Amino acid sequence: EVHLVESGGVVVQPGGSLRLSCAASGFSFDDYTMHWVRQAPGKGLEWVSLISWDGTSTYYADSVKGRFTISRDNGKNSLYLQMDSLRTDDTAFYYCARDSGECGGDCFPADWGQGTLVTVSS
Amino acid sequence: DIQMTQSPSTLSTSVGDRVTIACRASQSLSGWLAWYQQKPGKAPKLLIYTASTLQSGVPSRFSGSASGTEFTLTISSLQPDDFATYYCLQYHSYPYTFGRGTILEIK
Repeated sequence: EVHLVESGGVVVQPGGSLRLSCAASGFSFDDYTMHWVRQAPGKGLEWVSLISWDGTSTYYADSVKGRFTISRDNGKNSLYLQMDSLRTDDTAFYYCARDSGECGGDCFPADWGQGTLVTVSS
Repeated sequence: DIQMTQSPSTLSTSVGDRVTIACRASQSLSGWLAWYQQKPGKAPKLLIYTASTLQSGVPSRFSGSASGTEFTLTISSLQPDDFATYYCLQYHSYPYTFGRGTILEIK
């Protein structure tokens, strides 16, 4: 069974930095593209970023490009999101998700963790 | 970026109703669209991908269709467990984009 557990969500001041982690188990982590998706409290879903199985390809939403960095450590079955220059509108639940693997490359988020809350506030 | 226009934003419905939710893309997606269900306090759940393929374990009352840049999620006979928020996602081009969501509420 796919199991994804996010951690690292805290209260941080505007302009600050934070690194989220996602521990994966129950599947061959290094076979799958991984995603981050966020959701501001009471708002809709926003796709944030993805990273290919080997870490060589990464993509970002326009709203986080240049401030957030996605990475992975396949030896530790872990996904990361380094968040710099945080703004109040980055406040959200952050979900990591495993790609479906249906497309032979990057596809859509299929299996999701339960999320971790990041609050950016002074 | 591809814009996804989802409608309606809220739908008041009753158990047994047939429900249709729409997403219109700002350009062709070649069928690369997924639908998700989300309940309060929970992570989203995948329902449908490639516009019309039902995810394993999802009840057959859920179906998806496409016509050009118009995509539709249909629930044939609404059940109590289906009251939730539904989102479409385009995965044709980066950055991926979600629709704004449709809340199904009890009439």
